[in-house]
Amino acid sequence: TQLLEQSPQFLSIQEGENLTVYCNSSSVFSSLQWYRQEPGEGPVLLVTVVTGGEVKKLKRLTFQFGDARKDSSLHITAAQPGDTGLYLCAGLGGKLIFGQGTELSVKP
Amino acid sequence: GAGVSQSPSNKVTEKGKDVELRCDPISGHTALYWYRQSLGQGLEFLIYFQGNSAPDKSGLPSDRFSAERTGGSVSTLTIQRTQQEDSAVYLCASSLVPRLKEHGYTFGSGTRLTVV
Repeated sequence: TQLLEQSPQFLSIQEGENLTVYCNSSSVFSSLQWYRQEPGEGPVLLVTVVTGGEVKKLKRLTFQFGDARKDSSLHITAAQPGDTGLYLCAGLGGKLIFGQGTELSVKP
Repeated sequence: GAGVSQSPSNKVTEKGKDVELRCDPISGHTALYWYRQSLGQGLEFLIYFQGNSAPDKSGLPSDRFSAERTGGSVSTLTIQRTQQEDSAVYLCASSLVPRLKEHGYTFGSGTRLTVV
């Protein structure tokens, strides 16, 4: 069974701080996706990483895929209240397998 | 349609009753998925449809749960004899399988099911 573990599960920070969310697995994935979910809505795709060691940037968000394609990280620089939400990593293994999510709260 | 549509958005039912949840995927998306999300948690896979067939139904938690898809479009998830532990948000997603890496899944807003 392929499992994805995210850490931390909860994160409460002040506006302007930096943060990193981790997504780890003992399994290799052909690709990994990050989604963001707001209350009352479904998750929305942020990025897909495919190649081991790949780094992708989306404005203040930086995503990295581990060399062995078993782990990934999401780094947010200068967090803003609009970044608040549930961040989910998902590994592609036939179907998407989701981690349990990181609940981020950014306070003004 | 422009997005994935789910109905109802909220459902409160009494323990032991049956419920039906509906999903209208994006037109042309051949793949359709059902997930369950408990409060503040990640998504638990339930079932996957390719066209009208369900090649992976490994996530259905018990035989009280069933799903079907007709015309390669609308899907219905049925829960019989609901229990309190069935309370959760049920999310439907669709995708174009060849473009999964570029576009991922498109999710609906979910049906919040509360069993009292």
